[in-house]
Amino acid sequence: NAGVTQTPKFRVLKTGQSMTLLCAQDMNHEYMYWYRQDPGMGLRLIHYSVGEGTTAKGEVPDGYNVSRLKKQNFLLGLESAAPSQTSVYFCASNKGAADIQYFGAGTRLSVL
Amino acid sequence: GEDVEQSLFLSVREGDSSVINCTYTDSSSTYLYWYKQEPGAGLQLLTYIFSNMDMKQDQRLTVLLNKKDKHLSLRIADTQTGDSAIYFCAEIEDASGTYKYIFGTGTRLKVLA
Repeated sequence: NAGVTQTPKFRVLKTGQSMTLLCAQDMNHEYMYWYRQDPGMGLRLIHYSVGEGTTAKGEVPDGYNVSRLKKQNFLLGLESAAPSQTSVYFCASNKGAADIQYFGAGTRLSVL
Repeated sequence: GEDVEQSLFLSVREGDSSVINCTYTDSSSTYLYWYKQEPGAGLQLLTYIFSNMDMKQDQRLTVLLNKKDKHLSLRIADTQTGDSAIYFCAEIEDASGTYKYIFGTGTRLKVLA
């Protein structure tokens, strides 16, 4: 049982480049989330989804877009990467609204 | 928005007890969680407590909840080097029927041999 899988694990981008981070879960969870983790700031919510075809903004959505075309996948896009987006990105999912969240292993992104 | 606060660092000697503290703001949270993050990995649920409980014990872990002061603590007895990690407390915010986790900044626990 894979749980929550994030790809890629590492990526280096130049300023202005675009990329997509993929999150896949095999637990049939309704809710999916994208967070970024920065030193001393904990986890901040970027975007989330409460079900297939839905997305909503979190605490720090600017510069990111998301899509949830299939229930098991939640994509995070950076259209024009900036150095301020250098961070570790985590995807999480849970079955019900207030249930335990399961996390992926993270994607470490550096924007030069 | 809601805020969850933790101290950033804690250092203890192997075999001692560790106490990690957290203050939260949303008094309507039904559950409060502790997650553990080991180096290079994602967060994993360590334990949780219902808001109608004052204490929960699970092997070496004891969670204490003071609802009046909105204070949550995690005590690890007989701390081992394998307990070195970042510990996050989290509450759930009910934003008009949509529930969102609010995580603290994380406490980095260093266990000295």
